[in-house]
Amino acid sequence: EVQLVESGGGLVQPGGSLRLSCAASGFTFSGHSMNWVRQAPGKGLEWVSYISGSSNIEYADSVRGRFTISRDSVKNSLYLQMDSLRAEDTAVYYCARGTGSASYLFDYWGQGTLVTVSS
Amino acid sequence: DIVMTQSPDSLAVSLGERATINCKSSQSVLSNSDNQNYLGWFQQKPGQPPKLLMYWASTRESGVPDRFSGSGSGTDFTLTISSLQAEDVAVYYCQQYYSSPLTFGPGTKVDVK
Repeated sequence: EVQLVESGGGLVQPGGSLRLSCAASGFTFSGHSMNWVRQAPGKGLEWVSYISGSSNIEYADSVRGRFTISRDSVKNSLYLQMDSLRAEDTAVYYCARGTGSASYLFDYWGQGTLVTVSS
Repeated sequence: DIVMTQSPDSLAVSLGERATINCKSSQSVLSNSDNQNYLGWFQQKPGQPPKLLMYWASTRESGVPDRFSGSGSGTDFTLTISSLQAEDVAVYYCQQYYSSPLTFGPGTKVDVK
C-alpha cells in the first residue's frame, strides 16, 4: 500500500525557516517523481515544487529562490527546505507522487502538514 | 503559464440527479506527440487530501465509480456525475499536467440540494 506521511510543519515567524519531510513507503521511491502542493486555509490547490526520479527540479515562481526540494532514495524521503518564509506561505503542505505514465500527474497524496507563518 | 478556470463556482444537485462541472484551459493541453489531453480531475472532501478521479481527461482512476465521467479536448473539459450520491459532496478541481508550472482550477463545490 502506497503511503506518504508528511512532518515538520508548525508555527514560524516571518523570515524564518522550516524543513518539511515526507516519508514514502509501499512503492519504488526512486521510480517516481515527487511534488509538493500547498493549500492555504479555505483556498484552492497550488503546486509548489517537483523533483524527478533523477533529481530534475522545478519550482513555482512564488517560491523559487526561497524553497529547496530534495529527495533521499536511501531513506525513501522527500524534503522541502523553506527559507525567508512569508505570511502568504501559510498553508497545508501535501507531498504527492507522480504517476508512472505522467510524472506531472499526482496519483497519491499524503495527509498534509500545516505551516503557519505569523509573528 | 496555463491558467485553468472552472464553472460554476458551486452547485447544488438533488440526490440521483446529474452534476456537471466545466473546466477551461488558457492554452490547449492536447499533445501532438501522443494525442492525449493532459488534464486531470481531483475530488477533495473536507479535512482530506485531494483524490485523483480522472486522468487523460476521460480515464477513470482505479476504484472510481462509473457514475463519474470526463470528456472534452484541447481547452474545454467536463466532469459529469451522472447520479449524485451523498458521498460525492466535495470540492472538485481540474489540473493540467501538460507543462510546468502545473496549475489547478479554482475548484467547484458540489452540494446536495
